[in-house]
Amino acid sequence: EDQVTQSPEALRLQEGESSSLNCSYTVSGLRGLFWYRQDPGKGPEFLFTLYSAGEEKEKERLKATLTKKESFLHITAPKPEDSATYLCAVQASSFAGGTSYGKLTFGQGTILTVHP
Amino acid sequence: NAGVTQTPKFQVLKTGQSMTLQCAQDMNHEYMSWYRQDPGMGLRLIHYSVGAGITDQGEVPNGYNVSRSTTEDFPLRLLSAAPSQTSVYFCASSATSGGRTQYFGPGTRLTVL
Repeated sequence: EDQVTQSPEALRLQEGESSSLNCSYTVSGLRGLFWYRQDPGKGPEFLFTLYSAGEEKEKERLKATLTKKESFLHITAPKPEDSATYLCAVQASSFAGGTSYGKLTFGQGTILTVHP
Repeated sequence: NAGVTQTPKFQVLKTGQSMTLQCAQDMNHEYMSWYRQDPGMGLRLIHYSVGAGITDQGEVPNGYNVSRSTTEDFPLRLLSAAPSQTSVYFCASSATSGGRTQYFGPGTRLTVL
């Protein structure tokens, strides 16, 4: 069974204080690891997809990395507008009706609060 | 493109009532899915579809029905609402090839009294 564990559950930072969020996973046949950002009352917003160990992707103050067992979301010099819940999900290949699709398994998320 | 849209945004039901949550996408995605999000539980898959006429159960399907008659629409039906179905419901869609990134709708917050 695919499993995703995110830590910490909540993280409070001062503006400008860099840190990292962790996503540990077990999956049979990883096709991709996804990071989403979710603001209160909104749907998850796609950030990154990582496909293989060693891969890194960056967007503004965010950088995602991937190993064979975990992924990190590094936040450099965060600002209050980075406050949100960050979700990690792993995708494995599945089949239905003769069609391959990507089945996502989500972690519980990390609630990030950045104080000015 | 509007992306993934959901209606209604909020809904209050009484135990035993039925209703349909609407989901539509304009990206010509084959794959569509419904999740529920509860505090401390993460997003859990209810039902999914890989194309018109093809649906299957996810992790928590009990009490919910789906059908997919068109590529664009994927409604979720609650046949007899129970308080345990109080949750926030998200619809998502993706292509079934390439990157397969799932894009989410804005959600429906459902309360069952």
